[in-house]
Amino acid sequence: QKEVEQNSGPLSVPEGAIASLNCTYSDRGSQSFFWYRQYSGKSPELIMSIYSNGDKEDGRFTAQLNKASQYVSLLIRDSQPSDSATYLCAVTVSGAGSYQLTFGKGTKLSVIP
Amino acid sequence: SAVISQKPSRDICQRGTSLTIQCQVDSQVTMMFWYRQQPGQSLTLIATANQGSEATYESGFVIDKFPISRPNLTFSTLTVSNMSPEDSSIYLCSALAGARETQYFGPGTRLLVL
Repeated sequence: QKEVEQNSGPLSVPEGAIASLNCTYSDRGSQSFFWYRQYSGKSPELIMSIYSNGDKEDGRFTAQLNKASQYVSLLIRDSQPSDSATYLCAVTVSGAGSYQLTFGKGTKLSVIP
Repeated sequence: SAVISQKPSRDICQRGTSLTIQCQVDSQVTMMFWYRQQPGQSLTLIATANQGSEATYESGFVIDKFPISRPNLTFSTLTVSNMSPEDSSIYLCSALAGARETQYFGPGTRLLVL
């Protein structure tokens, strides 16, 4: 069973702080890693993708990947109340055309004004 | 990216009936997927909708219960058949798009079965 694990939270951070979201995965063959943001009652929205070890920055978001440790994280700098949402980590399934995704259960982030 | 629309956005249905959900993508895409998201849960893949051939179903999902069509590269339907209250969920369509073939999601269909 290929699994993606996330701390369900809720994770509460004050406005302006750094929010750190973590994800581990079991499939060593996974090649692509994604973070989706899902507001309550809405569909998932892609915010970051990462494919190689190291950091990838996009605005206030930084994704970090460590394939040896099977670990991917998302940092949100200068957190805003509008960042309050559930963040889903998703990982491609190896041996399935690299297109299928396995999702974690999500971490609920609450940014306190 | 891709812009994906779904119809209906929500519905309330009686048990024993069937509902067909439509998914339209604004560009031709190689692969489309159908997911279910039950309240407070993450996404579970139902099937991959293959153009010109039968859908590929994940463990626990069968064609008789969730028939899928994919008549062309921009459109797919998912039917939820012989519904029971346990089928109450959000059903999401996604498509692979972009240079790295990333999955993008439609707005979802909220289904309540009474």
